[in-house]
Amino acid sequence: NAGVTQTPKFRILKIGQSMTLQCTQDMNHNYMYWYRQDPGMGLKLIYYSVGAGITDKGEVPNGYNVSRSTTEDFPLRLELAAPSQTSVYFCASSLRGDTQYFGPGTRLTVL
Amino acid sequence: DQQVKQNSPSLSVQEGRISILNCDYTNSMFDYFLWYKKYPAEGPTFLISISSIKDKNEDGRFTVFLNKSAKHLSLHIVPSQPGDSAVYFCAASFMYSGGGADGLTFGKGTHLIIQP
Repeated sequence: NAGVTQTPKFRILKIGQSMTLQCTQDMNHNYMYWYRQDPGMGLKLIYYSVGAGITDKGEVPNGYNVSRSTTEDFPLRLELAAPSQTSVYFCASSLRGDTQYFGPGTRLTVL
Repeated sequence: DQQVKQNSPSLSVQEGRISILNCDYTNSMFDYFLWYKKYPAEGPTFLISISSIKDKNEDGRFTVFLNKSAKHLSLHIVPSQPGDSAVYFCAASFMYSGGGADGLTFGKGTHLIIQP
């Protein structure tokens, strides 16, 4: 049982490039979430999903897109990378939407 | 507008003593509260939670206290151990009556340092 896995661990992008951050969970959790953490700050919710085919915006969704075609996967897409998107990205999952379990994170730098 | 506040960026405690981490919230709709522990370059790890119908929850060395009237919760770690040195995040959510929640609102964290 691997829990929540995220790839890649690190990535450097140039301004305007695109990329997809991958997130997979093997706990059969309905709820999945994407957060970002900037230095010295708490985590902020980007997008979340309450089940396959259903997604909704969180506090800071601008510049990102998500999809949820399966229960296990919840990829986060950056279309036109900007320096403001330099951050650490965490994916999380939850069975009932209460306690969330986090992946190890993806550290993204946009130059 | 911060809805969850951890006003102490850092806290230093001697090994074996009690560590008390504090958290305040402003949104009275929050009814589920959690504490997470985070080591550098790792994801947050769930520690303990409490529902608003309770005022205390214990799990081994960790106890969380909730004071709804003051909109305040605290995490007590007794006794503190060197491995407890980490950043601790307080988080809150609003649980829908049918189950589920939109997501967690986090504080900025408190860096706990356990000194030998």
